[in-house]
Parts: sequence; structure tokens; C-alpha cells
Amino acid sequence: GENVEQHPSTLSVQEGDSAVIKCTYSDSASNYFPWYKQELGKGPQLIIDIRSNVGEKKDQRIAVTLNKTAKHFSLHITETQPEDSAVYFCAAGTNFGNEKLTFGTGTRLTIIP
Amino acid sequence: NAGVTQTPKFRVLKTGQSMTLLCAQDMNHEYMYWYRQDPGMGLRLIHYSVGEGTTAKGEVPDGYNVSRLKKQNFLLGLESAAPSQTSVYFCASSYSISGRSYEQYFGPGTRLTVT
Repeated sequence: GENVEQHPSTLSVQEGDSAVIKCTYSDSASNYFPWYKQELGKGPQLIIDIRSNVGEKKDQRIAVTLNKTAKHFSLHITETQPEDSAVYFCAAGTNFGNEKLTFGTGTRLTIIP
Repeated sequence: NAGVTQTPKFRVLKTGQSMTLLCAQDMNHEYMYWYRQDPGMGLRLIHYSVGEGTTAKGEVPDGYNVSRLKKQNFLLGLESAAPSQTSVYFCASSYSISGRSYEQYFGPGTRLTVT
């Protein structure tokens, strides 16, 4: 089955700086890579996703890059703000009638004012 | 829309007791999932359903059973609770169009403690 590794497990950055979280996956059949943000006491919420037919996707201060050859993808948050403090999860899945996602172990991001 | 709701929010069980967690979604999604979240281990899939009347095992199914009698509801049962089942449980739902997966919507979670 799929195995997703996520690094780092914790990350602290100064407000205004950039944050990068990296994930690797093992199954070359995976073609859907979402990122979720989980705030304290809440369920995860999708912030951005990317499919295997593109290498990069941006949404305002958030971007995701995908390298299918190396089987890794990354989340980039620029101009970080205090409200970016949360736990972030990457995940990998396929579209071939198997709707399961395999999640990474999470990164606790802390923005230092 | 309420989205995905979970009942109860908190529960304490003694070892050997049974309970059922209820998940409901009002988005007419085909797919529903039960995950458990433990510190340092991310979200692990327990069971999932690809449609009304269907269920399938996920990564960590032992000790749990599920049922999907109605499209909008997905029940997770613990027949004989063990301390190892102390966790936060999340339900999620999603849909696909022409084979393309779309986001999973998560509920607020149920915190279960087994003593």
C-alpha cells in the first residue's frame, strides 16, 4: 500500500517569513495530493490540492509543488501570519475508483509574532 | 448546510463496554470514511464506504465495525472497547466526478477515552 512520509514534524518561523513542508510517497499510481490544515479542536480542512498532470499550483500565499519522478511534493506558505499556526497534513491518493487517501503524520507550524 | 456532524463529541468508556459513533452528512456525498487520530501518527483509515449498503476495511479495522444503511449516515461501532482504542475519531465524506477525486470534508471529531 501507499506510504507517505512528512517532514518536519514541527516548524517555527517568524511572522512574515516563509514556511516549507515536504512529503514523499511510495506508490507511483498515486495522482491526487491534497494538503489539509487542522486547527486546535477541529477537523482537518482542505487548503490546496494538486493532481499529477501539473507541477505547481498557487492560491494567494499558498503554493504546492509536485515532482512525480522523485515522488515528492511540498507546501509553501509565504508571508506567514499568526493565523497560519496549525497542524498541516499532506496526503496521497488515486482516482481509479479507489477513493482512499493516505495521510502523512503532520507538521505543527508555529508562527512567532 | 451543516456539512459533516458527529455524535457524541466526547465519551469515556470502561474496558469491555460497547458504543456506536454516528456520522451524518447533508451534502449527498457517495463516499464516507472513519479515521482515528493519535499523536505523531496522523490520520489512519479505519473503514470506509463507497456507497449506501457498502463498507470496506481500511488500514486499522480490527476491533471496529461499520454500517451504511442510509446514504447520509455512517456508523462506527466498538463491540468491546480496549484502552488502545483511546483516540480522536474523525468522520469524513467526499465525492468524485468522472473518476476524479475531490476533497474530503471532515467532521469536528469525537474524543474517546477507554479506561
